Amino acid sequence: QSALTQPASVSGSPGQSITISCTGTSSDVGGYNYVSWYQQHPGKAPKLMIYDVSNRPSGVSNRFSGSKSGNTASLTISGLQAEDEADYYCSSYTSSPWVLFGGGTKLTVL
Amino acid sequence: EVQLLESGGGLVQPGGSLRLSCAASGFTFSSYAMSWVRQAPGKGLEWVSAISGSGGSTYYADSVKGRFTISRDNSKNTLYLQMNSLRAEDTAVYYCAKSRLAALSRASTSLDYWGQGTLVTVSS
Repeated sequence: QSALTQPASVSGSPGQSITISCTGTSSDVGGYNYVSWYQQHPGKAPKLMIYDVSNRPSGVSNRFSGSKSGNTASLTISGLQAEDEADYYCSSYTSSPWVLFGGGTKLTVL
Repeated sequence: EVQLLESGGGLVQPGGSLRLSCAASGFTFSSYAMSWVRQAPGKGLEWVSAISGSGGSTYYADSVKGRFTISRDNSKNTLYLQMNSLRAEDTAVYYCAKSRLAALSRASTSLDYWGQGTLVTVSS
């Protein structure tokens, strides 16, 4: 099964808001409310930022929010900060094989 | 504090075998499903395998099915990945990750803690 589709890169200036999309099919993103988002800084392990489409784990800034419409999920980061520069990955439950990741999006803070 | 520490990576020839371990601490290990996720150099994340908290249920990605075996020893708080018939395309950093829930359910696909990873290189 193919990876979920994410833009290769997005950019924004400090203080701005950006949105990263994650497009799948009705068999994954569109069919279930089990989309997660991860942040990965270079050389580091991924960190869970959003689960079940729009829920934030304890300790994650409320500048991060998630949503979904049809087969596309989105991660929005408001009040962009330099420390937000990282790679972001979405994932979704899928009946087979179980979890599908997106190809990743590199966020650059200008 | 939740800690996950992978070990067992290294250089192996194509067709060879390797067993990865992940030592867990800071939480009730048997109460959570666990996964292995890999990342090839310069590439994105790829889910590899998952196991329920009891160890009774397992899932595998098609790319490793029949070659890799996930298991756990809840008495030792340790997760394993036995990798056989290794190929060049298996070269990656392998992360172990903790699910938010115990069962292999749809909701347990979110992984809330990750180890730092161990590098597996398959090359002659």
